[in-house]
Amino acid sequence: GIQVEQSPPDLILQEGANSTLRCNFSDSVNNLQWFHQNPWGQLINLFYIPSGTKQNGRLSATTVATERYSLLYISSSQTTDSGVYFCAVLYSSASKIIFGSGTRLSIRP
Amino acid sequence: GAGVSQSPSNKVTEKGKDVELRCDPISGHTALYWYRQSLGQGLEFLIYFQGNSAPDKSGLPSDRFSAERTGGSVSTLTIQRTQQEDSAVYLCASRFDRNTEAFFGQGTRLTVV
Repeated sequence: GIQVEQSPPDLILQEGANSTLRCNFSDSVNNLQWFHQNPWGQLINLFYIPSGTKQNGRLSATTVATERYSLLYISSSQTTDSGVYFCAVLYSSASKIIFGSGTRLSIRP
Repeated sequence: GAGVSQSPSNKVTEKGKDVELRCDPISGHTALYWYRQSLGQGLEFLIYFQGNSAPDKSGLPSDRFSAERTGGSVSTLTIQRTQQEDSAVYLCASRFDRNTEAFFGQGTRLTVV
């Protein structure tokens, strides 16, 4: 069935380290987004990236639609980067946004 | 408005009571979604509205759950005869169309005691 898989499920890093989060999807997509859920539960939009590469400060993302994956890069991690990162996909054949199970990132000072 | 607004932010209710949760989407957004997130879990799809089309209700967990969207704008999610397992954060999102990004509200934290 239609799935969105994220890896790794958990990641613990020291402040200043870099990280790569991965999202695999199983069909052609209209739309792919990365969200950061902060410790207060708010879902923050990071990237709208159905294809290509985007950068915003220390964060960047790449989606290779033909190979059905997306990567989120975080460089020079800060403690405020802690939280859960979700990949969310809108498949061409579907109406609902499907979320991956998330990557829980913990940045240690 | 500037963003998706949900009310109330928190709701504590007694088991068996009905509750109504409200979502004000971003002005002009035709699509509106409701999701539920239980403690420490992922996001569970509940219902999707798109313009004047019939809503996709495939995610509603039981017939105690219903939602409406009046005038293509404000949406209300109603839970009848609440149960303890209904305790969760209920999140609403809106988007302009399928090829634009969705924005989420801050959520309503529902606690059934």
